[in-house]
Amino acid sequence: AQKITQTQPGMFVQEKEAVTLDCTYDTSDQSYGLFWYKQPSSGEMIFLIYQGSYDEQNATEGRYSLNFQKARKSANLVISASQLGDSAMYFCAMREWGSSNTGKLIFGQGTTLQVKP
Amino acid sequence: SQTIHQWPATLVQPVGSPLSLECTVEGTSNPNLYWYRQAAGRGLQLLFYSVGIGQISSEVPQNLSASRPQDRQFILSSKKLLLSDSGFYLCAWKGDDLAKNIQYFGAGTRLSVL
Repeated sequence: AQKITQTQPGMFVQEKEAVTLDCTYDTSDQSYGLFWYKQPSSGEMIFLIYQGSYDEQNATEGRYSLNFQKARKSANLVISASQLGDSAMYFCAMREWGSSNTGKLIFGQGTTLQVKP
Repeated sequence: SQTIHQWPATLVQPVGSPLSLECTVEGTSNPNLYWYRQAAGRGLQLLFYSVGIGQISSEVPQNLSASRPQDRQFILSSKKLLLSDSGFYLCAWKGDDLAKNIQYFGAGTRLSVL
């Protein structure tokens, strides 16, 4: 069964430093998509970055990059030059190809990131 | 551009009362729509999804139901709320990029059942 695991319940990072949030996944499918979302205290889920299983290069979106290691089934989020506004809960999610029509996502339990000034 | 609206933002209801949460999407047609629930400090659990008007799929057995009376409207309902229905409810729609299938979320409704 497909599963997303985020092993870090909480993380601290100093402002302007980089931080890596871990995500491992389990799937028997060869085609799948991986997503990261940010949830600030207001509650809204904000899409950050996407990685397809066949993408050869790691995805990047501004200060966000995804360290995709397919053989290890890991999709870690790297945030560079952390800002105070990055303090939030971060969720890793996966969609299997078989659910491409429905678009169903499976979410991890999340990691709370706190950026210290 | 596409936007998604949810209301109300906050709701406090007594046990046994009915519930109706509404979600509407603008700027797109025939989107896939989703209802999720999030317990405090936890991940999201998919409750229902819909690929079109009148088409509802339930992911978990529960006290809730969903309906899609119009193309861009998705409603979450209950006839009698339970204490365990408390949580944060999020509606989402699937974007038009078929290669990525990114879901975009509304601002959510915080429901407290007392």
